[in-house]
Amino acid sequence: DTGVSQDPRHKITKRGQNVTFRCDPISEHNRLYWYRQTLGQGPEFLTYFQNEAQLEKSRLLSDRFSAERPKGSFSTLEIQRTEQGDSAMYLCASSGRGSTDTQYFGPGTRLTVL
Amino acid sequence: QKEVEQNSGPLSVPEGAIASLNCTYSDRGSQSFFWYRQYSGKSPELIMFIYSNGDKEDGRFTAQLNKASQYVSLLIRDSQPSDSATYLCAVMTPSGSARQLTFGSGTQLTVLP
Repeated sequence: DTGVSQDPRHKITKRGQNVTFRCDPISEHNRLYWYRQTLGQGPEFLTYFQNEAQLEKSRLLSDRFSAERPKGSFSTLEIQRTEQGDSAMYLCASSGRGSTDTQYFGPGTRLTVL
Repeated sequence: QKEVEQNSGPLSVPEGAIASLNCTYSDRGSQSFFWYRQYSGKSPELIMFIYSNGDKEDGRFTAQLNKASQYVSLLIRDSQPSDSATYLCAVMTPSGSARQLTFGSGTQLTVLP
């Protein structure tokens, strides 16, 4: 049983560039979440998918951010025109069917915007 | 007021002692409560979840929930140096289709050998 995987693990980019991250959830999980974490803070919710439907988006998710889960399996998070304030750890989590909604996190993608 | 509050620490305990980590939350509708452990530079790792008032034990870990006081705690018995990490309290408050967790800022725990 493999856990949540994320790719890349690290990304360094210049301000103004676009970046895309990928998340592969635990195979039997139908719910997928994106969070962002900055140093000294807990993760902050960005968006949530149930199967392929994006059901919730945070106010933190500006129009430069877009997320997809086209076939209800893996998900991508794209940030357009990156800014230095986007530098953070981007975490993906998944949870299975049922009411517990226990979320398991992937290793994260650390983004540095120069 | 933050929705989930934790003492940032750092909290230091000697090896073998009991570490007590506390968390309060503001939304009385919250139903599910989670503790995650996060080592420096790593992602959060689930330790325990609790839904009902009272205590829930799993090995050296005990989660305690008091919904009337809006208070969750995590006790770590026989603390080990490997327990040194940041402990994150997370709360899920159902709202429509929403399933997101709201996290506290974490408590940094150091277990001294």
